[in-house]
Amino acid sequence: ETGVTQTPRHLVMGMTNKKSLKCEQHLGHNAMYWYKQSAKKPLELMFVYNFKEQTENNSVPSRFSPECPNSSHLFLHLHTLQPEDSALYLCASSQDLGTSDEQFFGPGTRLTVL
Amino acid sequence: GQNIDQPTEMTATEGAIVQINCTYQTSGFNGLFWYQQHAGEAPTFLSYNVLDGLEEKGRFSSFLSRSKGYSYLLLKELQMKDSASYLCAVRDSDYKLSFGAGTTVTVRA
Repeated sequence: ETGVTQTPRHLVMGMTNKKSLKCEQHLGHNAMYWYKQSAKKPLELMFVYNFKEQTENNSVPSRFSPECPNSSHLFLHLHTLQPEDSALYLCASSQDLGTSDEQFFGPGTRLTVL
Repeated sequence: GQNIDQPTEMTATEGAIVQINCTYQTSGFNGLFWYQQHAGEAPTFLSYNVLDGLEEKGRFSSFLSRSKGYSYLLLKELQMKDSASYLCAVRDSDYKLSFGAGTTVTVRA
């Protein structure tokens, strides 16, 4: 595998379920990101990790819980979500923070909350 | 907060030129990015501007004016495969990326 991969690609869950989204990057990057993309809205930055340490939590509700066990893997744990949380969740990585390096995006997980 | 504006939709003919404008107001500036996103796919990097002027990369060019808070992406010799959403993103003083809502470009034969 190359680039940034995400699993699952599609997820349907009820409001009382607990699920996790997984992201893996094979680029040797040090920074990883979670974004939310809703229809007709800009990508919203959720979390930033640099060298496994969380550097940004963009006022995300606690029902979203990120985990970064190492620089190559990033998880987003989901619990008691709301229907308005239905969106495309994108993971991205970059070599470092604060440089001209572009972010490489995964294909996303299409989440539907019933 | 950050404010990044770009048109919602544009339509052009195959072989033509289209210019997508982006204006921004952000807390600090550390570069502007353009991404392309085909429906159902990941955004992919197109260009990066941090100094004023034009950056050319094949059929795509991107321009930046920091004093005006303005950028454009120029797509030349349009092809059907260029039909996609084009995202303008600005990196602020905290090195966070803020995105516009995207411009959907439709290329017609």
